[in-house]
Amino acid sequence: QVQLVQSGAEVKKPGASVKVSCKASGYTFTSYGISWVRQAPGQGLEWMGWISAYNGNTNYAQKLQGRVTMTTDTSTSTAYMELRSLRSDDTAVYYCARSLSDIVGSSWDSWGQGTLVTVSS
Amino acid sequence: QSALTQPASVSGSPGQSITISCTGTSSDVGSYNLVSWYQQHPGKAPKLMIYEVSKRPSGVSNRFSGSKSGNTASLTISGLQAEDEADYYCCSYAGSSSHVVFGGGTKLTVL
Repeated sequence: QVQLVQSGAEVKKPGASVKVSCKASGYTFTSYGISWVRQAPGQGLEWMGWISAYNGNTNYAQKLQGRVTMTTDTSTSTAYMELRSLRSDDTAVYYCARSLSDIVGSSWDSWGQGTLVTVSS
Repeated sequence: QSALTQPASVSGSPGQSITISCTGTSSDVGSYNLVSWYQQHPGKAPKLMIYEVSKRPSGVSNRFSGSKSGNTASLTISGLQAEDEADYYCCSYAGSSSHVVFGGGTKLTVL
């Protein structure tokens, strides 16, 4: 079955960077895209961006442009999301999610368990 | 402020039907049939309930249905059950500038 397993919780200081991993199994990794979605405590869902696992093409949310980088390692079927210059309002649970197809607007049928990133001095 | 507008809360009794609206613009909901709905229970990852406006993934109950008219999409849950109590989020593709937008979420309470 499709499974996305994310790396563990992180605590970072303001200004630092965090890199969250998302290891996929149970399907052909390069046939689908991966989106990253975050959720601040008590808040709604926010789309961060998408990467094609087929060719590495990316699309990022405008508000995160310049601070976020999404990559994949097809040899290990793992997707990564790096967020730089962390601020307190980046504190959130970060989810990876598999797209139904390899296009940015496709829905997400499988989700990771979430990774809590806490930004605090 | 979210790009798509949902009611903050809705409620219904077991067995009843409820509808959650999701209002966007001609740049997102109105232009693309790429509207999806997600259910989220507290402390859990979201779950896909409806995609491409009205399609149900395998394993999702046929009590869940989706539709769209103009710039507004809707999720209808019939025969409400206690396990349906959760937060529901709509989501739409919004073209090459904004890409993907979410609604603010709707808390469903089963009375």
